[in-house]
Amino acid sequence: QSVLTQPPSVSGAPGQRVTISCTGSSSNIGAGYDVHWYQQLPGTAPKLLIYGNSNRPSGVPDRFSGSKSGTSASLAITGLQAEDEADYYCQSYDSSLSASYVFGTGTKVTVL
Amino acid sequence: QVQLQESGPGLVKPSETLSLTCTVSGGSISSYYWSWIRQPPGKGLEWIGYIYYSGSTNYNPSLKSRVTISVDTSKNQFSLKLSSVTAADTAVYYCARTVRIAARPGGDWFDPWGQGTLVTVSS
Repeated sequence: QSVLTQPPSVSGAPGQRVTISCTGSSSNIGAGYDVHWYQQLPGTAPKLLIYGNSNRPSGVPDRFSGSKSGTSASLAITGLQAEDEADYYCQSYDSSLSASYVFGTGTKVTVL
Repeated sequence: QVQLQESGPGLVKPSETLSLTCTVSGGSISSYYWSWIRQPPGKGLEWIGYIYYSGSTNYNPSLKSRVTISVDTSKNQFSLKLSSVTAADTAVYYCARTVRIAARPGGDWFDPWGQGTLVTVSS
């Protein structure tokens, strides 16, 4: 019962651009809390992909970009590559009665 | 760079206590926050709680009554105990460094992560 909603799956051909949405509410993203993104390759631990809404850690290709507006955030992958096939999760903080860090429902990216 | 490694029993009986340890290498456990996060098979991620190297803690309210996180700075380790487990607690358990920015409360993220360890609750 995650408070951040993502589409279950998105797909695209190599070289295309895909976007993943992360929809929250006024107690998390809409309250101004930052959104972060993680990539989870099959059988591995999540890896930080974007932090602070739009910042890439060292080593993350600039094909990955993040943005945030209102109660939602988005992750874009341009020039899709086969190695990008993975699960992607957004993460933020929720200040409701059950205040804690929260993750999105996750999106499976398939490279056609 | 900092690396994390989880260790502990892979099988726990219902109603018993799950115990895991995370060993931090390549850097000091001091001056950082450290979290436990879990992922049931085929499902999403759930934050369990964090501990500061000084010993202060913060837990997910949904698990707070059953969770204890402790730290041993002399061993560069922190640990998780989850009591009264049921099959719903079966998951891959990850430890991760929690990066906190004082100027941005709540804007914390997790990096790096351990490889994770599967804990199955079954008799």
